[in-house]
Amino acid sequence: DVLLTQSPSTLSASVGDRVAITCRASQSVRTWLAWYQQRPGMAPQLLIFDASRLKPGVPSRFSGSGSGTDFTLTIASLQSDDFGSYYCQQYDSYPSSFGQGTKLEIK
Amino acid sequence: QVQLQQWGAGLLKPSETLSLTCAVSSESFNAYYWSWVRLPPGKGLEWIGEIRHGGGPHYNSSLESRATISLDTSKNHVSLQLSAVTAADTAVYFCARVSDYGGNSYFDYWGQGSLVTISS
Repeated sequence: DVLLTQSPSTLSASVGDRVAITCRASQSVRTWLAWYQQRPGMAPQLLIFDASRLKPGVPSRFSGSGSGTDFTLTIASLQSDDFGSYYCQQYDSYPSSFGQGTKLEIK
Repeated sequence: QVQLQQWGAGLLKPSETLSLTCAVSSESFNAYYWSWVRLPPGKGLEWIGEIRHGGGPHYNSSLESRATISLDTSKNHVSLQLSAVTAADTAVYFCARVSDYGGNSYFDYWGQGSLVTISS
């Protein structure tokens, strides 16, 4: 099974900051990687798929990059609405798997 | 707009069977894979399995064959049963639609989540 390791586990940043979350896979997943935001008590929301493709309707301050084993989710200018947990997911091979999550707090 | 509405028992005793149902409002129900994902407290998301009309199901082997995912295409329902539950199965359970890439892909629509607690 593919193990995804996210860093950092927690992150505290201010509105307007540029924020980066990384996801490292234990083996190549090519570009079959997605990113989700989950606010407390809510379902996860898709942000990015295929490593870098922005879901329609998601603000352009979100971007994804990477291929193979190393991926990054970047928030260009943090907004107060961006708090929550962020998860990466690989769908290159069964079973699909997720990272352990990054909790983003707004200072 | 696709909507997923889920329900089921929220409190179970060890060794009982978890049962959840997800009603899908979608004209293309039969064309997609439907999946269950769970979020244990303090941990990351875990893929449970997926199914499609005429395809699958596929399961996460970590659940040791305890999971059963089924469809009722007459009602656009997707169901999850998990047998012989233990405290480790305490989690928020989500149903989700798999993207139009087909099986084992990302999830573009999610149910609201159901908290299931296992306690004696």
